[in-house]
Amino acid sequence: NAGVTQTPKFQVLKTGQSMTLQCAQDMNHEYMSWYRQDPGMGLRLIHYSVGAGITDQGEVPNGYNVSRSTTEDFPLRLLSAAPSQTSVYFCASSQPGQGNSPLHFGNGTRLTVT
Amino acid sequence: QQQVKQSPQSLIVQKGGISIINCAYENTAFDYFPWYQQFPGKGPALLIAIRPDVSEKKEGRFTISFNKSAKQFSLHIMDSQPGDSATYFCAASNNAGGTSYGKLTFGQGTILTVHP
Repeated sequence: NAGVTQTPKFQVLKTGQSMTLQCAQDMNHEYMSWYRQDPGMGLRLIHYSVGAGITDQGEVPNGYNVSRSTTEDFPLRLLSAAPSQTSVYFCASSQPGQGNSPLHFGNGTRLTVT
Repeated sequence: QQQVKQSPQSLIVQKGGISIINCAYENTAFDYFPWYQQFPGKGPALLIAIRPDVSEKKEGRFTISFNKSAKQFSLHIMDSQPGDSATYFCAASNNAGGTSYGKLTFGQGTILTVHP
């Protein structure tokens, strides 16, 4: 199994450009989430989804949109990129009904906004 | 507002030594405390986790100590090895209703370097 796959691995954007970070999981997990990792800040939750068609905001949702049309995919859209969105983005999935099932993370997308 | 505070920011240990990373939390509704390990270029992966009904959990060389009254928990790595060199994150979640919906609050991270 591939687990959680994120594309692209690296991306450079200019201020104001838009793009979509892709995330796909093949474990049939119900829960998916997006985190951003910044030095000295740890990982912060952007948006999460508890199933197809259901999404909600996390701690730092401004400037990002998500949708969940299938169980497998959970893309993250940057509407108008800003330098403050320079970060490493991680997608994660987990399964309910198993107590505290671990988050399975992808290998991240490193985004630079100039 | 950083609800989980982690220290130190970086840690250098000699091979065979003990690595200790500390975390403190504010939200008394947190009831699940995992530690994640991250190698360069990879996503974090679950290392070990504890619930507040126990004061200690050990898995191999890794031990979590938990102090509910002080709202603190720590990771101890015994006999540290160069292969343990990584970034470590503590985290916490509120599982009221039986699930956290995949939402974790992370600490700031600790970069551990183990010298041979």
